[in-house]
Amino acid sequence: AQSVAQPEDQVNVAEGNPLTVKCTYSVSGNPYLFWYVQYPNRGLQFLLKYITGDNLVKGSYGFEAEFNKSQTSFHLKKPSALVSDSALYFCAVSRGGFQKLVFGTGTRLLVSP
Amino acid sequence: DAGVIQSPRHEVTEMGQEVTLRCKPISGHDYLFWYRQTMMRGLELLIYFNNNVPIDDSGMPEDRFSAKMPNASFSTLKIQPSEPRDSAVYFCASSSLPSGGYTFGSGTRLTVV
Repeated sequence: AQSVAQPEDQVNVAEGNPLTVKCTYSVSGNPYLFWYVQYPNRGLQFLLKYITGDNLVKGSYGFEAEFNKSQTSFHLKKPSALVSDSALYFCAVSRGGFQKLVFGTGTRLLVSP
Repeated sequence: DAGVIQSPRHEVTEMGQEVTLRCKPISGHDYLFWYRQTMMRGLELLIYFNNNVPIDDSGMPEDRFSAKMPNASFSTLKIQPSEPRDSAVYFCASSSLPSGGYTFGSGTRLTVV
């Protein structure tokens, strides 16, 4: 069975500073990895995914994530945070070729002005 | 495309009543998922369908919950009888291979009093 761990309930960062939201995963076989963002009273929105290829994946709104197979990690990053990035971020994993996505518990990102 | 459409957006019902949540997936997507989100348990996969056939319903909490997908453009999640602990936000999502990413609806906020 696959699982995802997001070790931080909340990440605080000042606007303009780089941000990192951590994610580690466990899955048998090749992982498909995803990041989603949820704004208040909204559904989850897709940010980016890793299926294969380059370990650095670029996504929406200037976010990127780095796949590290040896550390089984897929941390979300952004070089310069915006106040509008404040939201709940979810990491998710599926076993390659299968559709069932398992989500982490989410990390709340708070960007202060 | 209008995205994944869920109705109603909000539902308040009394304990013991039947509740039906509805979902219209994105046209052409052959996978449909029902998730429940609560503060305590995060995002839980309840059930998912492939080509209108239920594939995995192991997340359905108990027999009070049932889901159907009579055709490719419509699914329902029914709770009968409803209980206060069913209060949550219920999300529907759809996807298609090979991308693997989900598109979520805006959710139905269910309150059982």
